[in-house]
Amino acid sequence: KAGVTQTPRYLIKTRGQQVTLSCSPISGHRSVSWYQQTPGQGLQFLFEYFSETQRNKGNFPGRFSGRQFSNSRSEMNVSTLELGDSALYLCASSLGGTGQYGYTFGSGTRLTVV
Amino acid sequence: AQTVTQSQPEMSVQEAETVTLSCTYDTSENNYYLFWYKQPPSRQMILVIRQEAYKQQNATENRFSVNFQKAAKSFSLKISDSQLGDTAMYFCAVGTNAGKSTFGDGTTLTVKP
Repeated sequence: KAGVTQTPRYLIKTRGQQVTLSCSPISGHRSVSWYQQTPGQGLQFLFEYFSETQRNKGNFPGRFSGRQFSNSRSEMNVSTLELGDSALYLCASSLGGTGQYGYTFGSGTRLTVV
Repeated sequence: AQTVTQSQPEMSVQEAETVTLSCTYDTSENNYYLFWYKQPPSRQMILVIRQEAYKQQNATENRFSVNFQKAAKSFSLKISDSQLGDTAMYFCAVGTNAGKSTFGDGTTLTVKP
């Protein structure tokens, strides 16, 4: 059974650019969540999608957005990149609500903004 | 709102010994779940153990066990017979069926040979 696949693994972008990250969850998992991980802030919740609908949203500016497709694959987009957006972005899939099943994480996308 | 506190940023243990990582949490939910995740250096985060808050019995997975004290809102992880491969950052998390989980800041555990 394939795991959670995130692409690309590494990205270097310039301030002001935009970026799109992709996540394919485990087959059958309908919930996809995104987290930002930084040394200083730990794991910060971005948003969660369930059956193509955003079900939860964290406290991030509107520059951060996402979507989920009918096959449960998800993308997140960050526009007008800032230096502070440099982080490891983790995608996590879950069969249903995370409370009941916990997450299966992808390997992450390491974004560096220069 | 939920909060998770891991008061030990770093810990170390000798190989084959036992170590306990601490976690306290707060939640207004009546129905919630607690988790410990492990993130080895430069590797993927994996779920180590899961506890349902409505169950009094402490969860166990091989060398990993928890001490769940619901009234104290405490959820510690005990690793027995520590191995070099246990070196990782460990995250405590609380989740609900509403969707998201809230994570602590993590504890970096180093197992020394």
